[in-house]
Amino acid sequence: GAVVSQHPSRVICKSGTSVKIECRSLDFQATTMFWYRQFPKKSLMLMATSNEGSKATYEQGVEKDKFLINHASLTLSTLTVTSAHPEDSSFYICSARDMGGDTEAFFGQGTRLTVV
Amino acid sequence: QKEVEQDPGPLSVPEGAIVSLNCTYSNSAFQYFMWYRQYSRKGPELLMYTYSSGNKEDGRFTAQVDKSSKYISLFIRDSQPSDSATYLCAMRPNSGNTPLVFGKGTRLSVIA
Repeated sequence: GAVVSQHPSRVICKSGTSVKIECRSLDFQATTMFWYRQFPKKSLMLMATSNEGSKATYEQGVEKDKFLINHASLTLSTLTVTSAHPEDSSFYICSARDMGGDTEAFFGQGTRLTVV
Repeated sequence: QKEVEQDPGPLSVPEGAIVSLNCTYSNSAFQYFMWYRQYSRKGPELLMYTYSSGNKEDGRFTAQVDKSSKYISLFIRDSQPSDSATYLCAMRPNSGNTPLVFGKGTRLSVIA
């Protein structure tokens, strides 16, 4: 079945550094990918909608200069957390919607980011 | 009022019980309704998907959508300890790349 691969699954970085998270659709083309952040025991909070070949649409309150999103191909979107701070520590999850899709069936495994 | 309301629980049931999970919503434009299961520290996994009103059954799982009441349900029959997870409802209108709107999720524990 269709799979979305997210990498890395876990990363620890120092304050002030940048971290890149990749989201790949492995056997389908995704014109749209979504990036979420999830705090412990909380639901998914949409950060941005990533459209292939165009600028991402960010949700209110999400800093686009801090959370850089690139969706350069139909199978890959990346989220870069720039100048990371401890408060950026969280669980980040991507999802991909296939080109003809009416469901958001495919989520990545998530990335646990810890900023020390 | 939030767009999607879901009781966060936690809900604890004995093995073999029938579990009923539900969500209410306020946006009458919602047409697609999903239920996801999320284990701790993992991404959500799609369980059931329904378009518009009606029932859908898949194995031990049944999803119901009542658009007139703006109410959706997920029933789990013969619940197993492996069903212990957080269950998220999600929904969206029938329009292009609109993102899903999620409920808060209900934490379920099935006790052996």
